[in-house]
Amino acid sequence: EAGVAQSPRYKIIEKRQSVAFWCNPISGHATLYWYQQILGQGPKLLIQFQNNGVVDDSQLPKDRFSAERLKGVDSTLKIQPAKLEDSAVYLCASSPLPSGSTDTQYFGPGTRLTVL
Amino acid sequence: AQKVTQAQTEISVVEKEDVTLDCVYETRDTTYYLFWYKQPPSGELVFLIRRNSFDEQNEISGRYSWNFQKSTSSFNFTITASQVVDSAVYFCALKGGNEKLTFGTGTRLTIIP
Repeated sequence: EAGVAQSPRYKIIEKRQSVAFWCNPISGHATLYWYQQILGQGPKLLIQFQNNGVVDDSQLPKDRFSAERLKGVDSTLKIQPAKLEDSAVYLCASSPLPSGSTDTQYFGPGTRLTVL
Repeated sequence: AQKVTQAQTEISVVEKEDVTLDCVYETRDTTYYLFWYKQPPSGELVFLIRRNSFDEQNEISGRYSWNFQKSTSSFNFTITASQVVDSAVYFCALKGGNEKLTFGTGTRLTIIP
């Protein structure tokens, strides 16, 4: 079974530029998550989707971050415009059961973003 | 609110030694789940174990074992006969009720050959 796929693996941009990350969850997984992991910290949830609907985006900085999960499969996370403090690893995860259940999340390899 | 504390920031041991990673949690939920993930240098978080709050049995999987004690709100992870491939950052995480999955700050484990 293929794992969670993410691209690109690395991205370097100047501040105020835009960037987008892509995630393909494990086939059949209903729930998809985006996390931000700042160096030396644990991952922090940004947004959670169940199928193509948003379940929780309370920690998403909506003035600059946006995410969508069209057709309930792939997802993209966008930052526009980027700030220096957005430098982090962005992890995508998926779980098979609907949100509200406590199911194991499986993570992708992440995208390491550096904002200069 | 829930919280996970991993007080050990970094640990280094010589290969073949045993090592225990500590995890202490806080939650008001009576039903909750605890997790351990491994993050090797490649960056991917690898799921190791999930334990629910009603199952206090210790678990062993090969060289890995986990000790869950509700009385002390701890869920410690022991690696027996450590190997260089065990070098990674290890995260403990907690999910209770309708809360988000909350991670600790991680413990960086270095196995010295």
